[in-house]
Amino acid sequence: GENVEQHPSTLSVQEGDSAVIKCTYSDSASNYFPWYKQELGKRPQLIIDIRSNVGEKKDQRIAVTLNKTAKHFSLHITETQPEDSAVYFCAASPANQAGTALIFGKGTTLSVSS
Amino acid sequence: DTGVSQDPRHKITKRGQNVTFRCDPISEHNRLYWYRQTLGQGPEFLTYFQNEAQLEKSRLLSDRFSAERPKGSFSTLEIQRTEQGDSAMYLCASSRTWEAFFGQGTRLTVV
Repeated sequence: GENVEQHPSTLSVQEGDSAVIKCTYSDSASNYFPWYKQELGKRPQLIIDIRSNVGEKKDQRIAVTLNKTAKHFSLHITETQPEDSAVYFCAASPANQAGTALIFGKGTTLSVSS
Repeated sequence: DTGVSQDPRHKITKRGQNVTFRCDPISEHNRLYWYRQTLGQGPEFLTYFQNEAQLEKSRLLSDRFSAERPKGSFSTLEIQRTEQGDSAMYLCASSRTWEAFFGQGTRLTVV
């Protein structure tokens, strides 16, 4: 089955710096890759996603890139702010239709210091 | 609040007892998912419903776990004969297409 690896497990940056989190997946049939942000004690919240027919997607300070050949995708956060501090999870959907299971990475704890 | 709602938020139970959790998805979302999350880990998929049909179950879902979505709206997850290893956050999510939205979760502690 699908396996998602996420790196690094922790990331500390200064406010205003960029942060990059990388994930690899094993199932070449996976074609949907969301990223979730989870603050302490709160629900995971979808922040950006990408489908396999797109190589890059951007939403303000957040961008995601996908390399299907290498089976990896990355989250880029620019101009980080203290409120970006949270655990970030990548995920992959190992099916070619909406609505099936998401397989999550183990998460990256991002700390942004001011 | 029109988001995914879960009840209860916290549950403490003694080992061997049965527990049941409820999830109310976002209205008009025909897809509903259950995940389990332990400390320091990402959510692990348990099961998936499309309308009232349970279409997918993880190997993680032992025979002590059962889930239902009888009318294609709310769902229940029951754990029978709870064990200490069942202690976790149980998350429900719903979707209409690709984007899945999570509830606040039910934190289960088995003592």
